[in-house]
Formats: sequence, C-alpha cells, structure tokens
Amino acid sequence: AQTVTQSQPEMSVQEAETVTLSCTYDTSESDYYLFWYKQPPSRQMILVIRQEAYKQQNATENRFSVNFQKAAKSFSLKISDSQLGDAAMYFCAYSLGANSKLTFGKGITLSVRP
Amino acid sequence: AAGVIQSPRHLIKEKRETATLKCYPIPRHDTVYWYQQGPGQDPQFLISFYEKMQSDKGSIPDRFSAQQFSDYHSELNMSSLELGDSALYFCASSLSERERTDTQYFGPGTRLTVL
Repeated sequence: AQTVTQSQPEMSVQEAETVTLSCTYDTSESDYYLFWYKQPPSRQMILVIRQEAYKQQNATENRFSVNFQKAAKSFSLKISDSQLGDAAMYFCAYSLGANSKLTFGKGITLSVRP
Repeated sequence: AAGVIQSPRHLIKEKRETATLKCYPIPRHDTVYWYQQGPGQDPQFLISFYEKMQSDKGSIPDRFSAQQFSDYHSELNMSSLELGDSALYFCASSLSERERTDTQYFGPGTRLTVL
C-alpha cells in the first residue's frame, strides 16, 4: 500500500521569507501523481500544485515550487516570499492515476510571522 | 468558474439517526470521490464513482452507502449515526481520461455533528 509521510507537524516562517515543507512517500509503482493541498482555517481544500512522476521537470506555480526526487521518493514544497495568507495546514497527497483515490499525509501546520 | 457544491454545509443529528449528504460535481466532471476528515486528521477516502458506477471503496462503514445519479450528482447516506461519525465530509470531482488522471477539486465540505 502507498503511504505518505510528513514528519514535521508544524513550521513557522517570517513574512517575505522562503520556507520548505517536506514530504516522503512509499510506492512500488513507477507512474503516479503527487499533490500539495492547502487547508486554511475555513477548512476548504485548495490545490496548490501537482507533479506527474513521469515528468523530470519540477512543477512551479507562481510563488510555489516543488523539489521532486523520484529515486529518493521525496516531494517537498517551497514557498517563496511568504505571505500572511499562506498560513494554513498543508497536505501532501499521492494518487495512482485515473479514477484513483488520494492518499494524504498527516499534514503540516504553517504559521507566518508578520 | 463553477466549483463543487455540497449541501448541507452544516448538519446536526442525534445518535442512531440518518443523514444524507449531497454533492454536485463541477460540470462535465465524470468522477466523484467522498472523503471523511476527523478533527485534527487528514482526509480519509470513503468511496468513489466513475460514470455512475462505484469505482473504488475505502474504509467506509457498512452503515454508509452512496450512489451517483444520472445527472452525476452523488449522495452519501449515513444510517445509525454514532458519535464518532462527527467529521467534515468532503466531496471532490475530477474529469478522468484514459491512462491519466485529472486533478481532484474539492467542495467546501459538510460538517456533521452527531450528538
């Protein structure tokens, strides 16, 4: 079975600084998809970024980028120029493909200091 | 852009009662997923439907059932409610294409409280 591990329960970052959230996963599959979702206090689940395992290029969405290391089964999220609105719970998630469920990590709470 | 709609947003029930949660996916999306998120927990997959057929099943209690209708909306029926069923229930939808998956987009969730 696939597992997703987020070992850091909490992190804090100064506004305008950069922070990296870690995620590792375990799978025997070669083709899969990885995601970061953000859950602010409203509890809405918001997609931040997505990475296809077959792509070597790391995904980027504005201030958000990932460092995908397939051999190490590592998928970290870098947030640049952190803003107060980035404060939230961040979940790393894994999916096998079409019609496949998401398997989530335990999440990490990110706080942003003004 | 249209998003996933869930109703009701909040629901309060007594133990042993029945609850029905509804989900309206993004237009043209053909796959619906249900997740349960307990307090301080990560979302746990319950069940999914593709083109109105059950496609996968997770840790869903036998007291729960779900279906997807001809208009692609889905309903999660929960009977004999227990205190431990109190949670946030998410519906997500995606447009699945052959040999790849599109991203799952989540609704705002239904907060169920069982007293």
